[in-house]
Amino acid sequence: DTAVSQTPKYLVTQMGNDKSIKCEQNLGHDTMYWYKQDSKKFLKIMFSYNNKELIINETVPNRFSPKSPDKAHLNLHINSLELGDSAVYFCASSQDQAGKAFFGQGTRLTVV
Amino acid sequence: GNSVTQMEGPVTLSEEAFLTINCTYTATGYPSLFWYVQYPGEGLQLLLKATKADDKGSNKGFEATYRKETTSFHLEKGSVQVSDSAVYFCALLKQAGTALIFGKGTTLSVSS
Repeated sequence: DTAVSQTPKYLVTQMGNDKSIKCEQNLGHDTMYWYKQDSKKFLKIMFSYNNKELIINETVPNRFSPKSPDKAHLNLHINSLELGDSAVYFCASSQDQAGKAFFGQGTRLTVV
Repeated sequence: GNSVTQMEGPVTLSEEAFLTINCTYTATGYPSLFWYVQYPGEGLQLLLKATKADDKGSNKGFEATYRKETTSFHLEKGSVQVSDSAVYFCALLKQAGTALIFGKGTTLSVSS
């Protein structure tokens, strides 16, 4: 009964590959997010969806494409992976977009 | 633009010591302010929040007061425990419908 769950937890892949990270929340929240945490622990918003509609799209390479099949799921697909994409990616959700967000455990992506 | 600045870590304390982690922000208007905590290997969890000037957020012995005159939201705890060892993030939310803006995080290590 995990509130926000991400898969996989660890992902090691070669440069140039395409990979996806899945996220699901069972809280009934309307808004979901993807954040990237770099090696220095700095967290930055990448995308946000509200009821399957993209509402925040920060300046990230267009190799990153979020997909929300329904409001409980927000997946992140990454094309042509680069070394600099190595990071921990966190999915989160919130009900009223008022700042109280629930985070998943993160996906540690390592590109070699 | 909007930003959050936290004191550099790591902060190393002995059990029962007093904790202060400084946080200042830059934003127009009246953002909401938050402290999130990330325990090893986990996602972030909301620790406390304050939505207007002079509000005090508190939880698990931690406190922070929203000071508009100094644009600060310093985190304090009177007596830390080993179990408080984690990374602490200060964050602001400019308005509903936007995403949290995080500081760079401060690592706290408490030894017995």
